[in-house]
Amino acid sequence: AQKITQTQPGMFVQEKEAVTLDCTYDTSDQSYGLFWYKQPSSGEMIFLIYQGSYDEQNATEGRYSLNFQKARKSANLVISASQLGDSAMYFCAMREAIGFGNEKLTFGTGTRLTIIP
Amino acid sequence: DTAVSQTPKYLVTQMGNDKSIKCEQNLGHDTMYWYKQDSKKFLKIMFSYNNKELIINETVPNRFSPKSPDKAHLNLHINSLELGDSAVYFCASSRRTGLKNEQFFGPGTRLTVL
Repeated sequence: AQKITQTQPGMFVQEKEAVTLDCTYDTSDQSYGLFWYKQPSSGEMIFLIYQGSYDEQNATEGRYSLNFQKARKSANLVISASQLGDSAMYFCAMREAIGFGNEKLTFGTGTRLTIIP
Repeated sequence: DTAVSQTPKYLVTQMGNDKSIKCEQNLGHDTMYWYKQDSKKFLKIMFSYNNKELIINETVPNRFSPKSPDKAHLNLHINSLELGDSAVYFCASSRRTGLKNEQFFGPGTRLTVL
């Protein structure tokens, strides 16, 4: 069974500072994928960034980057130059193969990020 | 232009009633999912369908019955609603396989059982 751990239930960060949201995972699979989603107060789930287990470089998408440390089984999200609009819940998730070419996502418990002006 | 849509957005009902939530995706994806997000924001998969075939059923009470009339639609019917069913239900879709294969989520349906 897989497990995703997000140890920071809440974080407060000053606007324009960088922020790192922690995510560790547990899997015995060799091939897996890690995702980060953002859920603002309006409730929708927004895909931010993806890292494949075989990707040699850390993923980046604009101000988002993923600090992938495979040996430590961590996939931390880094947001550079935080903005007020970054205030939201952030979920780390891992793709799990469940056989016959099918997959599912397992989510962490989330981190509520608040950006302070 | 909506990729994954759900109706209704809000649903308030009495205990014991039966209700349905509808989901449609126009992304051409083969796989669709239902998730439940509880009051603590924990998001857990309930069901997934691939091309109208049930793939995942995560120990959900059999009062919950998903139905996929075609691969663009996945509806969720709930019988005999209970207080504990109050949650936000998200529909999502994805390609069946692929390296990235991110899931696209609908806006959610907030179900309140009184």
